[in-house]
Amino acid sequence: QKEVEQDPGPLSVPEGAIVSLNCTYSNSAFQYFMWYRQYSRKGPELLMYTYSSGNKEDGRFTAQVDKSSKYISLFIRDSQPSDSATYLCAFLTGRRALTFGSGTRLQVQP
Amino acid sequence: DAGVTQSPTHLIKTRGQQVTLRCSPKSGHDTVSWYQQALGQGPQFIFQYYEEEERQRGNFPDRFSGHQFPNYSSELNVNALLLGDSALYLCASSLAPRAEQFFGPGTRLTVL
Repeated sequence: QKEVEQDPGPLSVPEGAIVSLNCTYSNSAFQYFMWYRQYSRKGPELLMYTYSSGNKEDGRFTAQVDKSSKYISLFIRDSQPSDSATYLCAFLTGRRALTFGSGTRLQVQP
Repeated sequence: DAGVTQSPTHLIKTRGQQVTLRCSPKSGHDTVSWYQQALGQGPQFIFQYYEEEERQRGNFPDRFSGHQFPNYSSELNVNALLLGDSALYLCASSLAPRAEQFFGPGTRLTVL
């Protein structure tokens, strides 16, 4: 079983839709939960991170963590064509090495 | 405020050659981590440097080595290149002990 499972997509939605991106994980040692956005041929950009179960909101983005189910989600409200990118979930242990999912490719159609 | 910078942007090498990639961390950051990202995959952790020491290493062979300089910049060296080393090499910087890691644009290495 892989440490992190993430649906590769592609996920295609119309502009203005609510997008839900998800990852499951198996390593109980993960302490921090992050979402990165990566545009084609660019480095990943940190969107959000949290270290506790529950919701964290930042503008149109909401990160949700359920440690009991080992499941994290990223919701994007009022999606825009500029949100078209690959979204990577990432996990951090106390030893500071990030473990990434394989990424979900999102396409927002105008 | 400059973010993380990496050089070169692109590199083409042949099998068996050696390569050196460079990274300058975000201003004020003291920790540098290197990742390898194959096409269509998430980044894989290579190693992390802090106070000029390798603090943690991922599952990569000894052909991959690194260095951190007193100004916190870092180099990644790969010896005896294989075709499978073709990837995007990413550098991330952070300020210990904070969790956030910020990535540079990467160096795309092609091994022929």
